[in-house]
Amino acid sequence: DQQVKQNSPSLSVQEGRISILNCDYTNSMFDYFLWYKKYPAEGPTFLISISSIKDKNEDGRFTVFLNKSAKHLSLHIVPSQPGDSAVYFCAASEESGGGADGLTFGKGTHLIIQP
Amino acid sequence: DAGVTQSPTHLIKTRGQQVTLRCSPKSGHDTVSWYQQALGQGPQFIFQYYEEEERQRGNFPDRFSGHQFPNYSSELNVNALLLGDSALYLCASTLGPGVGETQYFGPGTRLLVL
Repeated sequence: DQQVKQNSPSLSVQEGRISILNCDYTNSMFDYFLWYKKYPAEGPTFLISISSIKDKNEDGRFTVFLNKSAKHLSLHIVPSQPGDSAVYFCAASEESGGGADGLTFGKGTHLIIQP
Repeated sequence: DAGVTQSPTHLIKTRGQQVTLRCSPKSGHDTVSWYQQALGQGPQFIFQYYEEEERQRGNFPDRFSGHQFPNYSSELNVNALLLGDSALYLCASTLGPGVGETQYFGPGTRLLVL
């Protein structure tokens, strides 16, 4: 039973355009959401997070949107750069533990930025 | 600033054997979590250690056990290895559990069970 779902295994975007990665969740107890980026042969690297009390969080080129009623979040990358090519994981935690508790991950979306 | 380190990087074992993986947390961190990432899947939470005790556990059998040392480093032990235990094992660290910190991951140990 996948509690965090990333339904697009891969996404190809032209350099300079916007990349939008989507994530859906089923567990209503999740109250903290994170995005991680992973290059081959490296561990996941934290990108951006959002608490369930907010609907948007922005950090430079990265913005995460949260729609609690739809149990949906998305990561926007603008503008997309070649170095953004990686696997992106959506993750969630519950019980107000923030991102420090055991995380539930999606399967990931492989983002490919085309020159 | 030393990040999360894990050893070994790769390991090959046979079914039924036992394995121990090691993790040193990021400098200043005292909480260690372990994850299993099978091929094509996202990381799955195994357990978390804080103050040398198991604080949280995911849906993994008792064959998976751990330990945290006074210097905050940690070990993951897997007994009676199965073919399905083949995966990338990731260690993550934070400063304190449940305080809104984000987890920093190591590069992982790739385990192959034959």
